Amino acid sequence: EDKVVQSPLSLVVHEGDTVTLNCSYEVTNFRSLLWYKQEKKAPTFLFMLTSSGIEKKSGRLSSILDKKELFSILNITATQTGDSAVYLCAALTGNQFYFGTGTSLTVIP
Amino acid sequence: NAGVTQTPKFQVLKTGQSMTLQCAQDMNHNSMYWYRQDPGMGLRLIYYSASEGTTDKGEVPNGYNVSRLNKREFSLRLESAAPSQTSVYFCASSDTIGYGYTFGSGTRLTVV
Repeated sequence: EDKVVQSPLSLVVHEGDTVTLNCSYEVTNFRSLLWYKQEKKAPTFLFMLTSSGIEKKSGRLSSILDKKELFSILNITATQTGDSAVYLCAALTGNQFYFGTGTSLTVIP
Repeated sequence: NAGVTQTPKFQVLKTGQSMTLQCAQDMNHNSMYWYRQDPGMGLRLIYYSASEGTTDKGEVPNGYNVSRLNKREFSLRLESAAPSQTSVYFCASSDTIGYGYTFGSGTRLTVV
């Protein structure tokens, strides 16, 4: 059964902290892994990862994929209150994405 | 640019009623999707359309039907709503499968 597991389920940190969110996957015919940020409404795209070991960066956010160990991490440095959201990862297999249940991040001022 | 537009934003149905959720995108994307999001379950794919004229079942298709009306529009129909279909429904589109999605703002559906 294809599945994507994210950890932790929730996280509370103080502004300025660095956080690491985890995503492991077991899917057949893996093609790529995506990270999304979901605030109050629809998820918004952060990163797409297809190759192992290549870090994608966007400002304070970065992500890397390990295709051998079947996981990805999303790092956020110098967190801000605006980073508070649910972070979703999704693994693409064939023509379908499988989403994890998300990590809820709360950043306290 | 509107991106992906879903209507309605909120809906309350009685058990057994039918309704259609509408989705339209203006990005000339080939692929469109319908997801439902439930607490603790993450996003689950209901149906998708890889290209105009094709539709395929996703992870949880039972109780739903879809129509890819044209390249822009992809509708989701509940023929006989059940309380288990209470959820938030997201439509999404992508240029090709596997290159990231743009999501609509969601429809919160309650079946009583």
